[in-house]
Amino acid sequence: GENVEQHPSTLSVQEGDSAVIKCTYSDSASNYFPWYKQELGKRPQLIIDIRSNVGEKKDQRIAVTLNKTAKHFSLHITETQPEDSAVYFCAADNAGGTSYGKLTFGQGTILTVHP
Amino acid sequence: ETGVTQTPRHLVMGMTNKKSLKCEQHLGHNAMYWYKQSAKKPLELMFVYNFKEQTENNSVPSRFSPECPNSSHLFLHLHTLQPEDSALYLCASSQVRPTQETQYFGPGTRLLVL
Repeated sequence: GENVEQHPSTLSVQEGDSAVIKCTYSDSASNYFPWYKQELGKRPQLIIDIRSNVGEKKDQRIAVTLNKTAKHFSLHITETQPEDSAVYFCAADNAGGTSYGKLTFGQGTILTVHP
Repeated sequence: ETGVTQTPRHLVMGMTNKKSLKCEQHLGHNAMYWYKQSAKKPLELMFVYNFKEQTENNSVPSRFSPECPNSSHLFLHLHTLQPEDSALYLCASSQVRPTQETQYFGPGTRLLVL
């Protein structure tokens, strides 16, 4: 089955700095890669996703890059703000394949943005 | 209420109790999921239902029994649980359609097994 590794487990940055979180996956058939943000005591919420036919996607201060050959994808947050502090999860899925809807999550990264 | 809702939000039960968790989605989706979230561990997929049919059982112990009577409702029946089953149980839903597979999560049920 799929295995997703996420690094780092904790990340501390100063407000205004950039933050990068990296994930690797094992199943070359995976073709959908969402990123979720989970604030303390709240539900995970999708912040951005990317599909395997795209190498990069950007939404304001958030961007995701995908390297299918190396089987890794990364989340980039620029101009970080204290409200970006949360746990971030990456995931991989063989959307539309034999394991439809079977998201495999990384271990999570606790991001702390200091004012 | 919109989106994905879960009840109860908190539950304390003994190892001999039987209880049920409920999830309801108001998004018109046709797939629903149960996840377990424990401290210091990644979200673990437990069950997947597509169009009310179970399509995934991720080696979950039989003391967890899912039920999906229709595409909007999902239950997780619990009996003779162990203390290590204490966790946050999250429900999610999505469409079963390429490019619309984003999963939307409910607020979760925080379960404590004594």
